[in-house]
Amino acid sequence: EVKLEESGGGLVQPGGSMKLSCVASGFTFSNYWMNWVRQSPEKGLEWVAEIRLKSNNYATHYAESVKGRFTISRDDSKSSVYLQMNNLRAEDTGIYYCTRRTDYWGQGTTLTVSS
Amino acid sequence: DIVMTQAAFSNPVTLGTSASISCRSSKSLLHSNGITYLYWYLQKPGQSPQLLIYQMSNLASGVPDRFSSSGSGTDFTLRISRVEAEDVGVYYCAQNLELPTFGGGTKLEIK
Repeated sequence: EVKLEESGGGLVQPGGSMKLSCVASGFTFSNYWMNWVRQSPEKGLEWVAEIRLKSNNYATHYAESVKGRFTISRDDSKSSVYLQMNNLRAEDTGIYYCTRRTDYWGQGTTLTVSS
Repeated sequence: DIVMTQAAFSNPVTLGTSASISCRSSKSLLHSNGITYLYWYLQKPGQSPQLLIYQMSNLASGVPDRFSSSGSGTDFTLRISRVEAEDVGVYYCAQNLELPTFGGGTKLEIK
C-alpha cells in the first residue's frame, strides 16, 4: 500500500523558516518524481515544487510564488522528500501535501504563518 | 501557466442518477505523443484529494467504473453514473502537460 506521511508543520512568524518532511512507503521511492502541493481557502490547490530522479540530476522546479524562498530536496536512502521554506509570508499559510507525481497524496501538514 | 476553469457547483442531482462536471483549459492538453495530460481528483470532506482519472480517460486503481471522463484538447467532462452518497465532495481537474495547475473545484450538489 502506498503511503505518504508529512510532518513538520506548525505556527511560524512572518519572515521565519520551516522544514517539512514526507516519508514514503509501499513503492520504490527512487523511481518517482515527487511534489509538494498546498491548499488554502484563498487560492485552492496550488502546486509548489517538484523534484525529479537521480537520472535527471535531481532537477527541481518551483512555482513562481515560492521561487527563491523554498527548496525541495530528497533522500532516496530514506524514502523521504523535504521542503525547506524560508522568508515565510502570511500567504504561505495552508495545508501542504506531499504527492507522488500525480497519483498518491499524503494527508497533509498544516502551516500557519502569523504574528 | 495553463489556467484550468471549473464551475463552483454542479447542477443538483438525485442519488442514483447521473452527474456531469466540466473543466476547461486555457491551452490544449494534448501532447504530440497522443496523450492528453488531464487529471480528475475528488476531495471528500476532511480528506486529501484522491485520483479518479488520469490522462483524461483512464480510471485510477480502485475507482468504481461509475466514473468516466472524456473531452477534446481543452474541454473535458467527468461523468458519474448512479451517484452515491459517498461521491459527495469537491471535484478538481488538473493538468500535467506543463508544471501542474488545478481548477478551482466543483462541489457536487445532491438534491
